[in-house]
This record gives sequence, structure tokens and C-alpha cells, in this order.
Amino acid sequence: QKEVEQNSGPLSVPEGAIASLNCTYSDRGSQSFFWYRQYSGKSPELIMSIYSNGDKEDGRFTAQLNKASQYVSLLIRDSQPSDSATYLCASYGQNFVFGPGTRLSVLP
Amino acid sequence: KAGVTQTPRYLIKTRGQQVTLSCSPISGHRSVSWYQQTPGQGLQFLFEYFSETQRNKGNFPGRFSGRQFSNSRSEMNVSTLELGDSALYLCASSRGLYYEQYFGPGTRLTVT
Repeated sequence: QKEVEQNSGPLSVPEGAIASLNCTYSDRGSQSFFWYRQYSGKSPELIMSIYSNGDKEDGRFTAQLNKASQYVSLLIRDSQPSDSATYLCASYGQNFVFGPGTRLSVLP
Repeated sequence: KAGVTQTPRYLIKTRGQQVTLSCSPISGHRSVSWYQQTPGQGLQFLFEYFSETQRNKGNFPGRFSGRQFSNSRSEMNVSTLELGDSALYLCASSRGLYYEQYFGPGTRLTVT
């Protein structure tokens, strides 16, 4: 059973701080990795994709991938209350596998 | 570009009935995947279609089936509905395998 694991949280950070979200995956054949954000009652929306080892930055978001350690992370700089949501990590090997999500709360 | 659309958005059915959900992907996208989301189980993979072929199927009973048409639109069908099938059913499309998926708004199914 291919799995993606995440700390369910909640993770609470003050406004303006850096939020760090982590994820591990079990399928060494995974080729692609993704972070999604899901607000309560809404469908997931794509934040970032990452395909190769290293860092990828997009605005306030930085994704990091380490295939040797089977580890993916997402950093959110200058966190805002509007970032409060559940963050889903996903990998694609044979098909998409989603983690259970980490609930992030940004406190004003 | 229009996003992924799903119809209907809400559905109430009775145990034993069957239901068909529809998904129209983003124009040009050839891959469609379906997921079931419940509070306790998170996002569970149902199936993935690419160019009308089912590539993968998740660990769901045979009551759950799907198909993809030549225009990439997809349908999923659940027969003999059970109370436990109450969930948000999400469709996602992508331009191909391994690429990012974009989700539709979902169909909220309630089985009574």
C-alpha cells in the first residue's frame, strides 16, 4: 500500500511567521510531488508541484524535495490568517496518493 | 480557460438506488481522476482515466465504476448505494500523467 504521511496538526503559527509543513512518502517510484490547500467545504487547490530534488520557490511558498529521504516539505513565509486551511501533500507514482493533510492555523 | 466542472453539485439518494456523476475536464486535459472524500478517511483514490482507458483503480468495491469519453468528459457510477457512500466526490483533471491535477468543486452525495 503506497502511502503519504503528514502530521495532522493543528499547526498554529502567528501572523508573519514561517509555517513549515512536512510529508513523507513510501513509493520510491514516485515521480511528481504536489502541495494542495483545502479550505473547509471547498475542493483542493494546487499550490505547487515539484519534480526534482531541491527547492522550488513561488511567491511566499517554497517546496523542498529530497528523494533519498522520501521527504517533501512546504514553507510558507509571512503567513497570513487567510493561509489557515488544510494542506495536502500528494505524490504520483502509479497514481496520485494524497496524505491526510495538515491543518494550519495562522493566528492574527 | 474554464475550470473543471462537476454535475450535479448536490444529490440525495436512498439506499439501494444508483447514481451517476459527471465531470468535464479543463479543455485540453486528457487525464481525469475521481476521489471520494470523507471526514474520517480523507481523499481516497477511486480511478484514473487517460485517453478513455482506465489506468488505475483504487480499493473500492465493484459497485463503483467509471468511464471516460472521447472528448475526455468522464462519468462515475455507484450502484446499490449504501449509507457509507455519503461523501464528497471530487473529479480532477490534468494534461497528462505525472502532471498537476486541478480539482472540480465536487458533488456532495447524501445517502439516506
